[in-house]
Amino acid sequence: DAKTTQPPSMDCAEGRAANLPCNHSTISGNEYVYWYRQIHSQGPQYIIHGLKNNETNEMASLIITEDRKSSTLILPHATLRDTAVYYCIVAYFYGQNFVFGPGTRLSVLP
Amino acid sequence: EAQVTQNPRYLITVTGKKLTVTCSQNMNHEYMSWYRQDPGLGLRQIYYSMNVEVTDKGDVPEGYKVSRKEKRNFPLILESPSPNQTSLYFCASSGGGSRNEQFFGPGTRLTVL
Repeated sequence: DAKTTQPPSMDCAEGRAANLPCNHSTISGNEYVYWYRQIHSQGPQYIIHGLKNNETNEMASLIITEDRKSSTLILPHATLRDTAVYYCIVAYFYGQNFVFGPGTRLSVLP
Repeated sequence: EAQVTQNPRYLITVTGKKLTVTCSQNMNHEYMSWYRQDPGLGLRQIYYSMNVEVTDKGDVPEGYKVSRKEKRNFPLILESPSPNQTSLYFCASSGGGSRNEQFFGPGTRLTVL
């Protein structure tokens, strides 16, 4: 079973920030939080990952709560091309058994 | 171009007819894996390989075989396909590094009649 819980779907207006939550209350101290997304039926694409500090890259920001039991992926200015299923995954850094749950289907609306 | 390739992209076959889906990566990655994706179930890992000649079961290995004789290739073998193996299959590879990012192939849509 997936170690994470995400809302099944969300809407976001184009140009606004999309905030996608993820609960991972059973995360262990050495496990990272990874985010991937899947557009239509293409292969999933890496977005960002973090351990306990907030992270930012060219695609998104990741905010992890201090107790590490939840996190939020932020797409600062969502575009129509960001419409996808977003997966939050908890895994050890060198662990390779990624468990993908159902994810959150984000619809960016014009 | 760094990529993971899969062949075939689409395949319709019949129950019991052995088939192989190939996967190849050109990034010299040590780790490779296979997933299947079914509606409402997300991606589930079938098998993974940490290096040549090293493979291990994922969450749904029944009915599948894999081999890793070369670093770049990781074929998925269905010796006797059944209709419940109709699915979308993805191969992935990663080489560790600062992101430990998994690179996914384009997918193979398999239908078993």
